[in-house]
Amino acid sequence: NAGVMQNPRHLVRRRGQEARLRCSPMKGHSHVYWYRQLPEEGLKFMVYLQKENIIDESGMPKERFSAEFPKEGPSILRIQQVVRGDSAAYFCASSPRASGRQETQYFGPGTRLLVL
Amino acid sequence: DQQVKQNSPSLSVQEGRISILNCDYTNSMFDYFLWYKKYPAEGPTFLISISSIKDKNEDGRFTVFLNKSAKHLSLHIVPSQPGDSAVYFCAASDNNYGQNFVFGPGTRLSVLP
Repeated sequence: NAGVMQNPRHLVRRRGQEARLRCSPMKGHSHVYWYRQLPEEGLKFMVYLQKENIIDESGMPKERFSAEFPKEGPSILRIQQVVRGDSAAYFCASSPRASGRQETQYFGPGTRLLVL
Repeated sequence: DQQVKQNSPSLSVQEGRISILNCDYTNSMFDYFLWYKKYPAEGPTFLISISSIKDKNEDGRFTVFLNKSAKHLSLHIVPSQPGDSAVYFCAASDNNYGQNFVFGPGTRLSVLP
């Protein structure tokens, strides 16, 4: 009964490179959320996706960041032309198919991105 | 503007005593609240939740209290154990606008043996 899986756990990139972060939700979960945690801060919502659809991307920076959750395979958070300010822990969470309100989200271990 | 606040960055408690972690929110539309625990280098782990139609929810050693008029909730851990030492995040959601959670900055709890 695997939980939410994220890879890589650690990612080092130089300024200007691309970062790809992967998230496999828990079995049976079709809702995926991405959060970012800067040092000494709480988690900040970035984007909420269901299979093949972006439902809410109100927390995503307008440029360089994109997310997808294809029909097959993991959800991908992509950061183009990374800058030092992108260094953070990125957490993915998933929840079961929404049958109503107030679904709990279950988090993965996170990907720690370091931009040199 | 922080919609969810945890004004104590850290808290130290003796083993066996009660730990009380506090959380305040500003958005009166929030109607679902959760507490997560986070160990270093791991993702947050769900602990307990409460709906706005309740004022208390209990699960073993953990109890969450909600005071809607004061826009305040608290997590009580009794008795506290050394394994409870972690960062605790309060989170809230307004399900009228989707399911993303707004997190507080966290409180680091240290339970001393």
